[in-house]
Amino acid sequence: QVQLVESGGGVVQPGGSLRLSCAASGFTFSSYGMHWVRQAPGKGLEGVAFIRYDGSKKYYVESVKGRFTISRDNSKNTLYLQMNSLRAEDTAVYYCAKDYYLDGPAAFHVWGQGTMVTVSS
Amino acid sequence: QSALTQPASVSGSPGQSITISCTGTTSDVGGYYYVSWYQQNPGKAPKLMIYDVSNRPSGVSDRFAGSKSGNTASLSISGLQAEDEADYYCSSYTSSHTLIFGGGTKLTVL
Repeated sequence: QVQLVESGGGVVQPGGSLRLSCAASGFTFSSYGMHWVRQAPGKGLEGVAFIRYDGSKKYYVESVKGRFTISRDNSKNTLYLQMNSLRAEDTAVYYCAKDYYLDGPAAFHVWGQGTMVTVSS
Repeated sequence: QSALTQPASVSGSPGQSITISCTGTTSDVGGYYYVSWYQQNPGKAPKLMIYDVSNRPSGVSDRFAGSKSGNTASLSISGLQAEDEADYYCSSYTSSHTLIFGGGTKLTVL
């Protein structure tokens, strides 16, 4: 079955960096757009970044532009999120999600279990 | 891009029907058919319930239905069951090529 497993979360100081990974299985990873979505404690959902199936287009929410970079390695079936210059407001559970379509972004079809990122001194 | 507007809470009794609204603008909900709905239980990842305004993924009960009129999308749940109690979020494609969410609606089954 389709499975997404995030890793790389943890506690980091403000201004620090972290790289999240999302290992995909059970579907043809190279045929779908992929997302990172976050949810701050007790808050709603926020789409962070999207990457097309072939990596040719990437879109980011305004608050992370210039600090976060989404990428993928289709040979390893893995999605990444490089997070630099982290701020307290980046504290959240980060989910990776498979888009419903090849091109997208259209809908968050399947979700991972999430990984917690805490930015604190 | 501002979040889509959803009611903070709705409630209904078992067997009843409820509707959750999701209001945006012509730059998101009103301009595209990529509107989707998600169910989230406490401590769990969200689950896709409706995509492309009114389509149900395989395995989602036909008690869930989506629609759209102008800048407002709606999620209807008929034959309400205790297991439907959860948070529900809408999402829409935007003119900035991103997907934005609503603030979420807590559904209580009385």
